[in-house]
Amino acid sequence: EPEVTQTPSHQVTQMGQEVILRCVPISNHLYFYWYRQILGQKVEFLVSFYNNEISEKSEIFDDQFSVERPDGSNFTLKIRSTKLEDSAMYFCASSEGTGGRETQYFGPGTRLLVL
Amino acid sequence: SQELEQSPQSLIVQEGKNLTINCTSSKTLYGLYWYKQKYGEGLIFLMMLQKGGEEKSHEKITAKLDEKKQQRSLHITASQPSHAGIYLCGADGPYRDDKIIFGKGTRLHILP
Repeated sequence: EPEVTQTPSHQVTQMGQEVILRCVPISNHLYFYWYRQILGQKVEFLVSFYNNEISEKSEIFDDQFSVERPDGSNFTLKIRSTKLEDSAMYFCASSEGTGGRETQYFGPGTRLLVL
Repeated sequence: SQELEQSPQSLIVQEGKNLTINCTSSKTLYGLYWYKQKYGEGLIFLMMLQKGGEEKSHEKITAKLDEKKQQRSLHITASQPSHAGIYLCGADGPYRDDKIIFGKGTRLHILP
């Protein structure tokens, strides 16, 4: 069964460093998302992406964040200068985009720890 | 913004017993999702409901959405240790690529 994959599974970085989180959405899916979950809190929406541009972004998704689909398979989230409060589990999700209400399938997540 | 209230926050159930998790919104819900999350892991899709009065079942898990589309429930029959985890309800808006807003989750423990 197709699934969303994410790498790395864990990342530890120093405050102020850049990190890139990678995702491979399900191959025929057209809509892509990033969410995050700070330990003990809700899963929160960051950004949605369709047709090579951002569809919607949350207040969390400030200028330090960017997303990119560099090729036909990968979808990345970059944090330019990490802060302590960026420590969280980051989830990528994708949906088909063929019409109607569609399920978003989530990856296993990347646990980011900023020191 | 839409808020989803999940109850209970935590549930401890003897193996073999039935249980219900509720999720309520003050606004009409569109796409309605149930996901399961094992501690510190990813979200596993369980079910999606769209229509008022809709009910779906998969194995021993049944999800229901009331007619007004403001309350939904997840019912597990004859619970097993494999049911343990965090159950998240989510809702999205009227558009195809809308974000999902999640509740805080219900942490389910199954006692052997």
